Amino acid sequence: DVKVTQSSRYLVKRTGEKVFLECVQDMDHENMFWYRQDPGLGLRLIYFSYDVKMKEKGDIPEGYSVSREKKERFSLILESASTNQTSMYLCASSERSSGNIQYFGAGTRLSVL
Amino acid sequence: DQQVKQNSPSLSVQEGRISILNCDYTNSMFDYFLWYKKYPAEGPTFLISISSIKDKNEDGRFTVFLNKSAKHLSLHIVPSQPGDSAVYFCASTQGGSEKLVFGKGTKLTVNP
Repeated sequence: DVKVTQSSRYLVKRTGEKVFLECVQDMDHENMFWYRQDPGLGLRLIYFSYDVKMKEKGDIPEGYSVSREKKERFSLILESASTNQTSMYLCASSERSSGNIQYFGAGTRLSVL
Repeated sequence: DQQVKQNSPSLSVQEGRISILNCDYTNSMFDYFLWYKKYPAEGPTFLISISSIKDKNEDGRFTVFLNKSAKHLSLHIVPSQPGDSAVYFCASTQGGSEKLVFGKGTKLTVNP
């Protein structure tokens, strides 16, 4: 079974803080993704990584950065958290080849006060 | 520009009846389609998929139909069960892309 683990289920941070969201997958998948889910907006891709140290912007990268130093770990960084970044953040991984199924973590509910 | 549209934000059906969730897409290059199911406070889980070379794929109570000419796909759940109550996301991709494009989701409620 594929396991995608997000380090925190719930986080509360203050405006202006630097926030790190961590994601680890155990299936040796090449691809990893960060999404945010907001009511009425579905899943929106923030960043995508197709290999170690490789990244590609998604649809809404502003205010975020990512780090992939090891194949199994993909970090999402909020450089200076703002209230409009309050959201559910979802990490996913998949094998390389188009259309492959993405496996999701349980999500991190982030509240920025 | 929304490439994958789920026009019904919610759907309510009676237990034992059929649930039909719809999805439309605009990108004619899409050639692989997936449905995900999401419970509150959990990540989405893969449910069923279909390639553009097929028009139907079935897995137990779940069947996905693809109408390429109409750029439309639907997920049928028969019979519906209360445990099927969740948000269902439609997703699409095209050859050469590693990324999925998701719809906004439809919240299904199955009433006992």
